Amino acid sequence: ETGVTQTPRHLVMGMTNKKSLKCEQHLGHNAMYWYKQSAKKPLELMFVYNFKEQTENNSVPSRFSPECPNSSHLFLHLHTLQPEDSALYLCASTPSQRGGETQYFGPGTRLLVL
Amino acid sequence: EDQVTQSPEALRLQEGESSSLNCSYTVSGLRGLFWYRQDPGKGPEFLFTLYSAGEEKEKERLKATLTKKESFLHITAPKPEDSATYLCAVQAKGGSEKLVFGKGTKLTVNP
Repeated sequence: ETGVTQTPRHLVMGMTNKKSLKCEQHLGHNAMYWYKQSAKKPLELMFVYNFKEQTENNSVPSRFSPECPNSSHLFLHLHTLQPEDSALYLCASTPSQRGGETQYFGPGTRLLVL
Repeated sequence: EDQVTQSPEALRLQEGESSSLNCSYTVSGLRGLFWYRQDPGKGPEFLFTLYSAGEEKEKERLKATLTKKESFLHITAPKPEDSATYLCAVQAKGGSEKLVFGKGTKLTVNP
């Protein structure tokens, strides 16, 4: 595997389900990001982790719970979601959180909440 | 508040018809401006980073330029495979290192 991978690629869940999204980066980076991309809206930053520590939570509802067990893996745990949470969820990584560095994105997980 | 506005929202070109996409931004001190390409159902693919006004970068048929208020992505003699949504993002100096994205320009190149 190379670059940034995400699983699953597609997910359909009911509002009462609990599911998790997984991101893995094979670039040796230390900072990882979760973004939400909804139709007709810009990418919205959700969370940032740097060396496994959360450094930014962009006022994300608590029904989204991130986890970063090490610098290569990032999870987004989902529970009691709403239909408006349906979107493409993207993971990205950078060498560090130093700034000016290119963010490399994974292919995304397309989530549909029924 | 940092803002990015991309225009037009959508652009249709004939193969070989050159054009430009615009990215206007307001930011409290620019650390970098990033261009990405995104194909349907996929994640954004990095194209260029520009750091200071006057800087230009090229890759195949694409050329990105930067001024203090805007960036242009020039597409010369486009091909159908250049069809995609092009995203612009800025990163401000100091504080949060997050990227602020525009809504993108959807480019369609007809054969």
